[in-house]
Amino acid sequence: AQSVTQLGSHVSVSEGALVLLRCNYSSSVPPYLFWYVQYPNQGLQLLLKYTSAATLVKGINDFEAEFKKSETSFHLTKPSAHMSDAAEYFCAVKLGGSQGNLIFGKGTKLSVKP
Amino acid sequence: DGGITQSPKYLFRKEGQNVTLSCEQNLNHDAMYWYRQDPGQGLRLIYYSQIVNDFQKGDIAEGYSVSREKKESFPLTVTSAQKNPTAFYLCASSTLAGRGRYEQYFGPGTRLTVT
Repeated sequence: AQSVTQLGSHVSVSEGALVLLRCNYSSSVPPYLFWYVQYPNQGLQLLLKYTSAATLVKGINDFEAEFKKSETSFHLTKPSAHMSDAAEYFCAVKLGGSQGNLIFGKGTKLSVKP
Repeated sequence: DGGITQSPKYLFRKEGQNVTLSCEQNLNHDAMYWYRQDPGQGLRLIYYSQIVNDFQKGDIAEGYSVSREKKESFPLTVTSAQKNPTAFYLCASSTLAGRGRYEQYFGPGTRLTVT
């Protein structure tokens, strides 16, 4: 069965520092993987997705993620944090089969210190 | 502009009352989803629908009901049987074929408070 684990419910970085948010997945089939961002009291917005093309995926706002099959990981990174990056981030994996259902991790709240 | 609308943004109800949350999309997506979000628990799937007049239970369907009479609309009713209805409710939609398939687009959410 597919599942997603996000390590660390809270991550704090200084402005300008590297952002690293961890996501590990389990899937019995080649996965579709997604990262979403949520600002307070808003819906989720897609940052990037992996669909078995390039293993390094670039998204919006300079975020990127690398698919590592051997480590079953899809960690999200950004070279230099901005105050506006403070939000909650969710990793998701698609269920197998023709359904569009996604399994979401519990989320990581990112704080950015000035 | 294409997107998903949810209304209202905030909803207050007395315990024992049913309440219906609206979700409309103009993206021409086949699939629609309802999630419940509680602090620290991520998103939990309530119901989903892949085609008009058909829907399936998700992980936490008890105390909820849905309908899908039109492709654009997927309203969620929170019934009095739902033990802890106070939460943030998110609606999403996706296409199931072609480029961009399985990407879920989310509405802005409805925060329901039941007292």
